[in-house]
Formats: sequence, structure tokens, C-alpha cells
Amino acid sequence: AQSVTQLDSQVPVFEEAPVELRCNYSSSVSVYLFWYVQYPNQGLQLLLKYLSGSTLVKGINGFEAEFNKSQTSFHLRKPSVHISDTAEYFCAVRSEGGGAQKLVFGQGTRLTINP
Amino acid sequence: DTAVSQTPKYLVTQMGNDKSIKCEQNLGHDTMYWYKQDSKKFLKIMFSYNNKELIINETVPNRFSPKSPDKAHLNLHINSLELGDSAVYFCASSRNLGATNEKLFFGSGTQLSVL
Repeated sequence: AQSVTQLDSQVPVFEEAPVELRCNYSSSVSVYLFWYVQYPNQGLQLLLKYLSGSTLVKGINGFEAEFNKSQTSFHLRKPSVHISDTAEYFCAVRSEGGGAQKLVFGQGTRLTINP
Repeated sequence: DTAVSQTPKYLVTQMGNDKSIKCEQNLGHDTMYWYKQDSKKFLKIMFSYNNKELIINETVPNRFSPKSPDKAHLNLHINSLELGDSAVYFCASSRNLGATNEKLFFGSGTQLSVL
């Protein structure tokens, strides 16, 4: 079975500052990794995903994440955040052989951008 | 048009009541899901429904039952509501169940409060 740990429940940053949201996973098999974003009063949307290939993955809204197999991490980064990035961010993992119903989510990190 | 819509957005009810949450997707997807997000923001899958095949998370009490009148709808019925059922329930859909890079589309959630 897979599990996901998001190390920070809340991350406050100032506008235009860089941010990193941390995600570590545990799995005995190869995995696919995802970041979803939940804006206030909305459902989750896919931000980016790692399936294979380059370990640096670029997503929407200027976000990127790096897959580090040795550290079992998939941290999300953005070099300069905007007020509109205020949201809840969820890291998720599933095994290569598992379907979408096998997706396991972390508990989320609330990113708050201060002016 | 909203891709995945669920109603109601808020549901407040007494213990012991029976209630339903409706979900509709206009994406032409084959697979729909129900997720429960608890007070600690953990998202856990409850059901997936694909081509009349229901896959149930074994931890879900049988008071919860999904009903799909057609491919575009997956409603959630809850009998004999308990305090612990209070949570946010998310409906989601995907093109199909097993594709490698399957992306989930989420509704905006139904906040259920059991008093």
C-alpha cells in the first residue's frame, strides 16, 4: 500500500516570494505522483503529475515539482507566488499498476499568500 | 458549464435521518467516484463506479450506497446518519478507470453536518 505525508499543514508566504510545499511518499512499488489544488469553494484540480521520464515536472500556473526517488519526495515549488495562489494543495500517489481509484491523497497544505 | 456538479452544496440534518447527494458530469466520462474529506482534510475514496461495476472501499459502512441511473450520474444515499458522517463529500469523474495517466475531475463538494 502507498501513503503520502505532507509535512506542513499551513504555509504562509508573502506575495512574490518563492514557496516549496513538501511531500513524501511511501511505497514498495513504482509510483505515479500528482499534485492537486483546491481553490476556495471549488473541487480539486490537477496541477501536475509525474509518470516517468524527466524528474522535473512543470504544471499549470508556474508550478513545478521534482521527483526524488532516493528521498521518496515530490516537493512542489513556485519561484514567485501571487495572491491568487492561495489554496489548499494536495499531494497524491498511486502505484503504476493501480487505476484511478487507487489514488491516495495526503492531508493537504494550506498555502496563504500575504500582500 | 460546470464539468462535475453536485448538489446540495451544504446539507445540515439530524442524526438518524436518510439523505442523498446528487452528482452529475457532462464530460462523457465512463467512471465516477465518491470521496470523503474528514475534518483533518484527509481525502479517502469511498466508491468508484465504472460500466455498472461498483468498487467499494471496504471501510465504508453499508449505510452508504451509490446509485447510478445512467453513466452521467452517481448519487450517494446515506441511511441512518451518524455524527461521524459529518464531512465534505466530493464527487469526481475520469474518462475510465485504468488508464495510466488518468486525471480526476472533481465537483466542488457537499458539506454535510449531522447534528
